[in-house]
Amino acid sequence: QIQLQESGPGLVKPSETLSLTCTVSGGSISSYYWSWIRQPAGKGLEWIGRIYSSLSPNYNPSLKSRVIMSVDTSKNQFSLTLTSVTAADTAVYFCARDNWVEQWGYYFYGLDVWGQGTTVTVSS
Amino acid sequence: DIQMTQSPSSLSASVGDRVTITCRASQSVSSYLNWYQQKPGQPPKLLIYGASSLQGGVTSRFSGSGSGTDFTLTISSLQPEDFATYYCQQTYTSVFTFGPGTTVDIK
Repeated sequence: QIQLQESGPGLVKPSETLSLTCTVSGGSISSYYWSWIRQPAGKGLEWIGRIYSSLSPNYNPSLKSRVIMSVDTSKNQFSLTLTSVTAADTAVYFCARDNWVEQWGYYFYGLDVWGQGTTVTVSS
Repeated sequence: DIQMTQSPSSLSASVGDRVTITCRASQSVSSYLNWYQQKPGQPPKLLIYGASSLQGGVTSRFSGSGSGTDFTLTISSLQPEDFATYYCQQTYTSVFTFGPGTTVDIK
């Protein structure tokens, strides 16, 4: 049973860099896309981006200039780096597996396994 | 970017009710539309992928339909554990987007 666990600092100062890691256990990180999603308190979900180990990542255009995602297959981990943070980046950050199903020759993706989420607060 | 809207933003319903939630995309997303359920303090749970395919382990009370720009999620007979917020998500483009969510609460 695959499980995901986010880790990283819960408090980041404005203008600094937020770094989170998602550790994948119970399965290999290879052969899947891996995503980051965030959710400010009391608000909806925001897709940050996704990465596949051997391909270029896809980022939300609204965050693209500040986001870097990477995969470390040796550690079965993937990570999120968000630079120049502000209070608007305060949220629960989730990592998730972006699984796929092939139907009728098409590939349908869905976030089928999620971490529990980690709260990040941006404050001085 | 493709924008997603949902209606209603919230609804009140009783156990046993049939509930329908609508999701609309700003341009066609074919059948690349997912539905998630989220309860307070928990991560979202994938219910439906490909607009109408039920994710493994999800009760058949949930069903999805639609293609192009208009989609619906239907709960055939609302149960106490179904009170939650529901999100649609398009995966048609390389930049995925979620809808704003629909909260289903107890009438």
